[in-house]
Amino acid sequence: DAGVTQSPTHLIKTRGQQVTLRCSPKSGHDTVSWYQQALGQGPQFIFQYYEEEERQRGNFPDRFSGHQFPNYSSELNVNALLLGDSALYLCASSLLFRTGKPYNEQFFGPGTRLTVL
Amino acid sequence: DQQVKQNSPSLSVQEGRISILNCDYTNSMFDYFLWYKKYPAEGPTFLISISSIKDKNEDGRFTVFLNKSAKHLSLHIVPSQPGDSAVYFCAARAQGGSEKLVFGKGTKLTVNP
Repeated sequence: DAGVTQSPTHLIKTRGQQVTLRCSPKSGHDTVSWYQQALGQGPQFIFQYYEEEERQRGNFPDRFSGHQFPNYSSELNVNALLLGDSALYLCASSLLFRTGKPYNEQFFGPGTRLTVL
Repeated sequence: DQQVKQNSPSLSVQEGRISILNCDYTNSMFDYFLWYKKYPAEGPTFLISISSIKDKNEDGRFTVFLNKSAKHLSLHIVPSQPGDSAVYFCAARAQGGSEKLVFGKGTKLTVNP
């Protein structure tokens, strides 16, 4: 059973450029969340997608946008890249509605390391 | 404003001894707390969790304690093993059906043989 996969592994971009990161959720999961982990920090919630809609959003500017496809995979897009966008971008998948559990565990992928020069 | 704080960036213990990792939070609306472990070049993996209505949860060598009045939780690893060496993140979820996790900055645990 494949876990959460992300592509690419590493990416180098220049300020002002745009980037697209991809995520395939764990088999059977229907919800994808994206997190940004800057160096020396914990992951910060960007947004979550369920049924192809943005369900919840963290404190990130509109330059960060996303998409979820019918097969539950997801993309994270960042426009007008800034140096401060350099970080590890983590994707996490979960099953949103699971009866009998107080918490639906999020499974994380290995991340995409984005460097903005 | 950091709602989840891990004030110790690193911790070093001897194999076989107890490791205690601490976490403080400020938001009383958190209803679920989790510990994640992260190895280099891998994503965080879920370790153990605790609901805000409990004060202790145990899973093998791992025990999490929650002190709601102090807004403090701790992870105990007994006995510690070299394979436990990793970065440990404390995370919290706000009540109300939110799936958003708020993470601390992490504590790097090194278990020496």
